[in-house]
Amino acid sequence: AQSVAQPEDQVNVAEGNPLTVKCTYSVSGNPYLFWYVQYPNRGLQFLLKYITGDNLVKGSYGFEAEFNKSQTSFHLKKPSALVSDSALYFCAVRDENNFNKFYFGSGTKLNVKP
Amino acid sequence: DSGVTQTPKHLITATGQRVTLRCSPRSGDLSVYWYQQSLDQGLQFLIQYYNGEERAKGNILERFSAQQFPDLHSELNLSSLELGDSALYFCASSAMAGPAGYGYTFGSGTRLTVV
Repeated sequence: AQSVAQPEDQVNVAEGNPLTVKCTYSVSGNPYLFWYVQYPNRGLQFLLKYITGDNLVKGSYGFEAEFNKSQTSFHLKKPSALVSDSALYFCAVRDENNFNKFYFGSGTKLNVKP
Repeated sequence: DSGVTQTPKHLITATGQRVTLRCSPRSGDLSVYWYQQSLDQGLQFLIQYYNGEERAKGNILERFSAQQFPDLHSELNLSSLELGDSALYFCASSAMAGPAGYGYTFGSGTRLTVV
């Protein structure tokens, strides 16, 4: 069965500092991994995806994620955090048998302090 | 505006009652998915419909049901409501061929509060 785990409920960083939001996955085949962001009272917004190719994936709003097969991780990163990045971040993996079905992590709340 | 419309945005109801949440998918999308987001469970997949037919089922309670109509809008029916059903319910849609690597488009959600 596919699954993702986000080990941190909350991440606190100061504005201007680099940020990392962690995600590990479990799949039997090739992983199709995604990051979504949720702002208060809003739906989920797509940030980036990994299907195949380069291990470093660049996405929206300056975010990037590094796919590490040996560590089964797909951590979200940003070199310099903004206060406006404060939101809830979800990692997700796509079902290998049903490409329309996703499994989401529990979410990580990112707090960026001025 | 993501193109996926959910109504109502907020709903407050009493235990034991029945409510209907509505979702209109993005134009051209044939698949509709329902997710429940609660504080302790995170985001949970409930059910998927594709062009009017049930395609995949997740952790959906028997008290809950859904359907997709010929015009492709979908309704999620929640009955015999309990306090624990209080959550944010998201609808998402994707195109006929699947999410094409971009996942799918989410609506803004309906916040259900059961009192």
